Amino acid sequence: AQSVAQPEDQVNVAEGNPLTVKCTYSVSGNPYLFWYVQYPNRGLQFLLKYITGDNLVKGSYGFEAEFNKSQTSFHLKKPSALVSDSALYFCAVRPYRAAGNKLTFGGGTRVLVKP
Amino acid sequence: AAGVIQSPRHLIKEKRETATLKCYPIPRHDTVYWYQQGPGQDPQFLISFYEKMQSDKGSIPDRFSAQQFSDYHSELNMSSLELGDSALYFCASSAPGTGGTGELFFGEGSRLTVL
Repeated sequence: AQSVAQPEDQVNVAEGNPLTVKCTYSVSGNPYLFWYVQYPNRGLQFLLKYITGDNLVKGSYGFEAEFNKSQTSFHLKKPSALVSDSALYFCAVRPYRAAGNKLTFGGGTRVLVKP
Repeated sequence: AAGVIQSPRHLIKEKRETATLKCYPIPRHDTVYWYQQGPGQDPQFLISFYEKMQSDKGSIPDRFSAQQFSDYHSELNMSSLELGDSALYFCASSAPGTGGTGELFFGEGSRLTVL
């Protein structure tokens, strides 16, 4: 069975500073990896995904993530955080060629960007 | 662009009552997913449908049932409601031909409160 771990419940960062949200995964075979963001009382919004190819993927709103197979990690990064980036971030995994297309989510990391 | 539509957005029920949530996927999306998100929790997969057939099943209680109709909209029926069913219920859809690589597009959610 697949699983996702987000070791930090909350990340605090000053506006303009780099932001990193950590994610590690466990899955049989190659993973499909996703990042979503959730604002209060809203649905999850897709940020980016890794399927294959270049380990560095770029997504919406200036976010990027680096896939590291040896460390089974897929950390989300943004070079310069904005106050509006304050939200709940979820990492998710789907195994390659898994039966069904469901995503398994991590526990989420709350990001607080202070002015 | 059209998004996933969920109704109702808010629902208050008493214990042991029944509730029905509706989901209208993005046009031409062929797969619908239901997730349950408890307070401060990550979304938990309940069930999914592909081309109107159940494609995967997660932690959906026996008291719950769901189906996808000929117009691709889906309904989640919940009976004998319990206090623990209070949560945000998300519907998501994915585009055809994307297999496991496609991202899920989430609705804004239906918040169920059981008193």
